[in-house]
Amino acid sequence: EVQLVESGGGLVQPGGSLRLSCAASGFTFRSYWMSWVRQAPGKGLEWVANIKQDEGEKYYVDSVKGRFTISRDNAKNSLYLQMNSLRVEDTAVYYCARAGLNWNIPVNVWGQGTTVTVSS
Amino acid sequence: DIQMTQSPSSLSASVGDRVTITCRASQGVTNYLAWYQQKPGKVPNLLIYGASTLQSGVPPRFSGSGSGTDFTLTISSLQPEDVATYYCQKYNSAPWTFGQGTKVEIK
Repeated sequence: EVQLVESGGGLVQPGGSLRLSCAASGFTFRSYWMSWVRQAPGKGLEWVANIKQDEGEKYYVDSVKGRFTISRDNAKNSLYLQMNSLRVEDTAVYYCARAGLNWNIPVNVWGQGTTVTVSS
Repeated sequence: DIQMTQSPSSLSASVGDRVTITCRASQGVTNYLAWYQQKPGKVPNLLIYGASTLQSGVPPRFSGSGSGTDFTLTISSLQPEDVATYYCQKYNSAPWTFGQGTKVEIK
């Protein structure tokens, strides 16, 4: 069974840092583009970042550029999101998601999400 | 960046009705357009990709059409289990922007 399990969410003060992790199983992780997508409370979906299989390409939404870093460890079947300089507006459920073998395949597998709350 | 605008923001229809949701891109995205369904309290689910290709396991009452800047998601006969928020997303290039969502309810 294809599965994505996120961890690392929690409560953090503005300006603080968190590192989200996503453990993948049931598929050949190293073959897929991976994504992070977030959803603020009561709001819509927001794509956050994408990473290519070999980390050779990484893309971010403008609002997190310079603050968030997406990375992966194919040997550990894991995806990460390092979040620094967190803002109240970063409060959201963060979903780990699997895209395709190529760049032009949308997300088709989602984790259950991990909640990040940025508040003083 | 390309903006994705959905209409309407919400709708209420009767069981069996034909429902159409529109997604407009501020610039062309060829056919790199996906539709997702998110039921209350659940994770999003891919319905359609490539503007019109039905994802495996999705009921055939869902269909997508369009190319370039204008796209539609159609539910041919609305069912109670279709109550959800629907999102379009462009994925031709970063950023992979979502539309703001369309909430579908039963009248």
